[in-house]
Amino acid sequence: DADVTQTPRNRITKTGKRIMLECSQTKGHDRMYWYRQDPGLGLRLIYYSFDVKDINKGEISDGYSVSRQAQAKFSLSLESAIPNQTALYFCATSDYRTSAYNEQFFGPGTRLTVL
Amino acid sequence: SQQGEEDPQALSIQEGENATMNCSYKTSINNLQWYRQNSGRGLVHLILIRSNEREKHSGRLRVTLDTSKKSSSLLITASRAADTASYFCATDRMGDMRFGAGTRLTVKP
Repeated sequence: DADVTQTPRNRITKTGKRIMLECSQTKGHDRMYWYRQDPGLGLRLIYYSFDVKDINKGEISDGYSVSRQAQAKFSLSLESAIPNQTALYFCATSDYRTSAYNEQFFGPGTRLTVL
Repeated sequence: SQQGEEDPQALSIQEGENATMNCSYKTSINNLQWYRQNSGRGLVHLILIRSNEREKHSGRLRVTLDTSKKSSSLLITASRAADTASYFCATDRMGDMRFGAGTRLTVKP
């Protein structure tokens, strides 16, 4: 969905490096989410944010941190990357304020490889 | 652990046949959603069913929800080759979204 953008789209980094993945949205949605997907598996929730001041841990938050800089921006950081964080990362948004549901709108994904 | 588990993991059918995928989950939910993913791209929302609903239709899609059994099914009728994709169920519990591992559907022309 072009309304949800992720940068970079691909990244190769080394063990121990700090890396930031960025997500921006022009949909005006209040909620934003970060997921990771491993080959052959579904998505696992890392962090989610209901608004700028409300951030919640998901299923697998260890080793990750997030920042909601503005309603439209939600960044995911890997403090010290390790190989098992190699995965496809997705950002998603939802318009709970208007719809009262969490229908997710996904970005195109960031493919991260940690060597 | 993941909330939803889809069954089967993979399904192969001929064009024109119906495809049924099942999802089981573990805790109470606000709603259950189904998504589609093509080859590592972002997921696309298909349909949502609220916890107080039992069945919902959208075009060729039919979703059922049985909260007593904590299960849902997605039926795609008159399948097409373009329906080939992975399908995921996702549960929403107070904004906490949990996805299953997905069903890989292949529709042969």
